[in-house]
Parts: sequence; C-alpha cells; structure tokens
Amino acid sequence: GAGVSQTPSNKVTEKGKYVELRCDPISGHTALYWYRQSLGQGPEFLIYFQGTGAADDSGLPNDRFFAVRPEGSVSTLKIQRTERGDSAVYLCASSLTPRAETQYFGPGTRLLVL
Amino acid sequence: SQQGEEDPQALSIQEGENATMNCSYKTSINNLQWYRQNSGRGLVHLILIRSNEREKHSGRLRVTLDTSKKSSSLLITASRAADTASYFCATDPSYGQNFVFGPGTRLSVLP
Repeated sequence: GAGVSQTPSNKVTEKGKYVELRCDPISGHTALYWYRQSLGQGPEFLIYFQGTGAADDSGLPNDRFFAVRPEGSVSTLKIQRTERGDSAVYLCASSLTPRAETQYFGPGTRLLVL
Repeated sequence: SQQGEEDPQALSIQEGENATMNCSYKTSINNLQWYRQNSGRGLVHLILIRSNEREKHSGRLRVTLDTSKKSSSLLITASRAADTASYFCATDPSYGQNFVFGPGTRLSVLP
C-alpha cells in the first residue's frame, strides 16, 4: 500500500512569509508525528497527534508553529512569520496505534527560508 | 536536547568490510531502534531491540543493547556500496512520550 506522503517536496520562501506543509499518513494509522531535521542532525520531535487531537506539542519551538489534523488523517504544519533558522527538513511519520513501536516516515519537505 | 549520541560521526570503509556504529543514551528506555536515511530524506526503520533483549539479528544487521551502560551498537556485515547512508538510533523513553533521535553516523562504503 501507499506510504506516508508529504507535500511539497521542497519549499522556498522569504523571511516573514507563512508556509503550510502537508502530511498524508498511511491509511488507518491513528498516530501522526512531526519532526524537524537540521543539516547534519537527527530528527527532533515537534508534535504528536492521536486522532484529531494533539497529544503532545512540547516540541514546537515557539508560537509561530502550529499543526492541525482536523479529520484524524491528513495533517498540516503551519509556520507563521518564517525565519531563516526555520530552514530544515520537516519529516512526518505515522504509526498504526499511539505509542506503537514502529513509526513510518515520509520523504520530508525541505524548507528554505531566504 | 537529544538523548542519543552516535559514534563515530562519520565512517568510511571498503566494500565487503564490516561497519560498526555505536549509540549511547541517558534515560531508561522501552526499546531502541535503528533507522537509515539516504540523502537527507525519509527514514527507513531497520531494526528494533527491546530493553529486555541483548542481541538481535536481521539479515546482515546485528544489534546489541547493554542497558547497564545505556549503549547499543549496530553492525553491518559484508557492507555494500548501497549501504552508504546516515544511520540513526532512536530511543523510546520509559517515561516520555516521544522517540528521541541521536545525531547519526554517516557511513560511506567505497566500491
């Protein structure tokens, strides 16, 4: 079956602009995760959804970052007033159940803020 | 801050040789997992070892876990050029919600 998909693959924006990054999890997976990966580093947790609700958003760096999952499937990560330091690869993962042992990752969205 | 730390940061070997990567972590865990990443894109799950296990094999992969030292190692035997990638360990903390990834080891296998 289809894996986790993310759009766009690449996004270039200017400092101060608003961006939305989309994640389509594996069908039937109830848990969805967002991570941010800077160059040469491992992924850092941002937020985790169980169904429609954010179960843990402790990794969001500040209030410019927000994520939604209104129907418990597709999720959108929203970044307001982008800064150059937001440039990174944003990874989405899903798992069949919350706290499942294995997460399945999408290909990521590479965000570049000029 | 990230819990896991891999070493070495980078490793370059010849095809056919074995590659060993190490991971250390700080808190008690439910399990530890190794992932592979090509070209800075999506991660692929390789193998999981639970806290009550000491060693696990999957094909050319061998993982060990020493909970007393809070460390794990990943061994790739008979490496191939296609094994060139970054390898990350991720821990599932006993008392936390979320996976914690280390900074990764960049493996280059030269033909």
